[in-house]
Amino acid sequence: NAGVTQTPKFQVLKTGQSMTLQCAQDMNHEYMSWYRQDPGMGLRLIHYSVGAGITDQGEVPNGYNVSRSTTEDFPLRLLSAAPSQTSVYFCASRLIPTGGSEKLFFGSGTQLSVL
Amino acid sequence: GNSVTQMEGPVTLSEEAFLTINCTYTATGYPSLFWYVQYPGEGLQLLLKATKADDKGSNKGFEATYRKETTSFHLEKGSVQVSDSAVYFCALSFNQAGTALIFGKGTTLSVSS
Repeated sequence: NAGVTQTPKFQVLKTGQSMTLQCAQDMNHEYMSWYRQDPGMGLRLIHYSVGAGITDQGEVPNGYNVSRSTTEDFPLRLLSAAPSQTSVYFCASRLIPTGGSEKLFFGSGTQLSVL
Repeated sequence: GNSVTQMEGPVTLSEEAFLTINCTYTATGYPSLFWYVQYPGEGLQLLLKATKADDKGSNKGFEATYRKETTSFHLEKGSVQVSDSAVYFCALSFNQAGTALIFGKGTTLSVSS
């Protein structure tokens, strides 16, 4: 099983450039989300989705856009990168539970530097 | 804004020792609180949760009580086992479905026999 796949693993951008971080899962999970992790801090929620066509803002959504046209994919777009967006980005997914263990699966992360 | 603060790790214990991992939170409104566990090589798995003040979540011998007055949700277990070695994450959700999760940094627990 591929699980949650993030691309790219590393990216360097100049201030003002745009780019898309890709996230795909092959487990038919309804829930997908994007987090950023900064040094010495926990995971902060950027955006999340509970199904195709449904997205919602997390704790730190400014400067990021998302869409969910399919169950499998949940791309994160930076429209105009800023140095404050330098971080490690994680995508996560899980089933919307009706019971059970509610296991959350994470991708391996994308390390983004904005100069 | 919302945030979660966990005690720094690693925490190293002998088998059958008592475990406490401290967690405090800052939130607007009344969040739901969670503990997730990550075993080596696996994803995060929900361990327990509490949705309102004074609720106690429990699972597999672990317990945590939602303390609104101290904004805390400390994880405890009376007698740890080697198999409890993992990374523990405290989290809060600002929706009842638990889909808007904010995590702490995680605390690594290592239990030796």
